Amino acid sequence: DTEVTQTPKHLVMGMTNKKSLKCEQHMGHRAMYWYKQKAKKPPELMFVYSYEKLSINESVPSRFSPECPNSSLLNLHLHALQPEDSALYLCASSQVLSQPQHFGDGTRLSIL
Amino acid sequence: QQQVKQSPQSLIVQKGGIPIINCAYENTAFDYFPWYQQFPGKGPALLIAIRPDVSEKKEGRFTISFNKSAKQFSLHIMDSQPGDSATYFCAAKEGQGAQKLVFGQGTRLTINP
Repeated sequence: DTEVTQTPKHLVMGMTNKKSLKCEQHMGHRAMYWYKQKAKKPPELMFVYSYEKLSINESVPSRFSPECPNSSLLNLHLHALQPEDSALYLCASSQVLSQPQHFGDGTRLSIL
Repeated sequence: QQQVKQSPQSLIVQKGGIPIINCAYENTAFDYFPWYQQFPGKGPALLIAIRPDVSEKKEGRFTISFNKSAKQFSLHIMDSQPGDSATYFCAAKEGQGAQKLVFGQGTRLTINP
């Protein structure tokens, strides 16, 4: 079991739905990340939070909206997604930006 | 622009053999080189990592060899087991600035019994 917990494990949603992905870590890490991973490809960075502030947005479409309510929790709000957004969404955390990143097991998202 | 090139894409080795996965980079600002192991349905797990001030690092059956002048690094798995069958990603990160993790394209490793 990883120390970065992501819920739900699987999510199926229509293109008009609004849903949220959740990520939690209790390791005291102050940097948290969202990645998108398509099949047989490496993870692609989406967002980085450092000390609860957004430090990197990799030109992600506005239908993805991150939120970091506190140092242990990271959310990714989803709205009006497209079929090509179907992927594994991974959360990671590290003590600070310079330290190794540890990944959760992801949320498998399918857009109908 | 692919900043970290990984090869081979796939690799099949008999149990007990030594699979070797290679990565090459161009950005000399990279100062941290981790390897991740990913099983189907799971997230990438940090396996081993190296910084450019050493040429080799061993952790159990896993060894990273690092050649700073050639800008290459590789993963060796000693006494490989079927349970090592997974996708392996090399990565690199700068020590300053955005410090984003740049991944190689991955190697799907199969260890046959």
